[in-house]
Amino acid sequence: DADVTQTPRNRITKTGKRIMLECSQTKGHDRMYWYRQDPGLGLRLIYYSFDVKDINKGEISDGYSVSRQAQAKFSLSLESAIPNQTALYFCATSNDGYEQYFGPGTRLTVT
Amino acid sequence: RKEVEQDPGPFNVPEGATVAFNCTYSNSASQSFFWYRQDCRKEPKLLMSVYSSGNEDGRFTAQLNRASQYISLLIRDSKLSDSATYLCVVNIYGQNFVFGPGTRLSVLP
Repeated sequence: DADVTQTPRNRITKTGKRIMLECSQTKGHDRMYWYRQDPGLGLRLIYYSFDVKDINKGEISDGYSVSRQAQAKFSLSLESAIPNQTALYFCATSNDGYEQYFGPGTRLTVT
Repeated sequence: RKEVEQDPGPFNVPEGATVAFNCTYSNSASQSFFWYRQDCRKEPKLLMSVYSSGNEDGRFTAQLNRASQYISLLIRDSKLSDSATYLCVVNIYGQNFVFGPGTRLSVLP
């Protein structure tokens, strides 16, 4: 079984809808991250959490919110989706800021 | 100026060729450096860390030049399976990872 899982893997939604992307990990890492990837821009950090009680905004947090329900779970929400949030979203975990382990990604399309 | 910059490529090389990528970073306080590999539509995976003394893993060699603030990746004897996007990643201790936009490599038969 994969160490970092993301659901759903693909999602098409309409402008204005609320959507939640979920991430679970079995690596026992405290640090979890949400990134989005757009062609030519690389990965950009949306939110990160260093433990259950610690949530921090990343480079591009506007329009997003997160919830760290447990050490193993970190969810990303789009409160009112807009087309420019169409992207590939990755969750990642890390132990002490060294190697990051990524989930398989969620491909989100907002029409 | 972007924090981490890479030539996006693509680099198109024949099998067996040697190819090198560079990456520059702007924050002199950066402490950890990595190369990740990303296949099309897949998640990034760690290829190798980059140490001050330089390090080698099989056909791959990574070097760090702190004075000039750049990192390099050398791939020798390129294989078709090396075709991917290579991401340069920088970390400042206790803070976050900053990714470069990636360099795309295509190894041609």
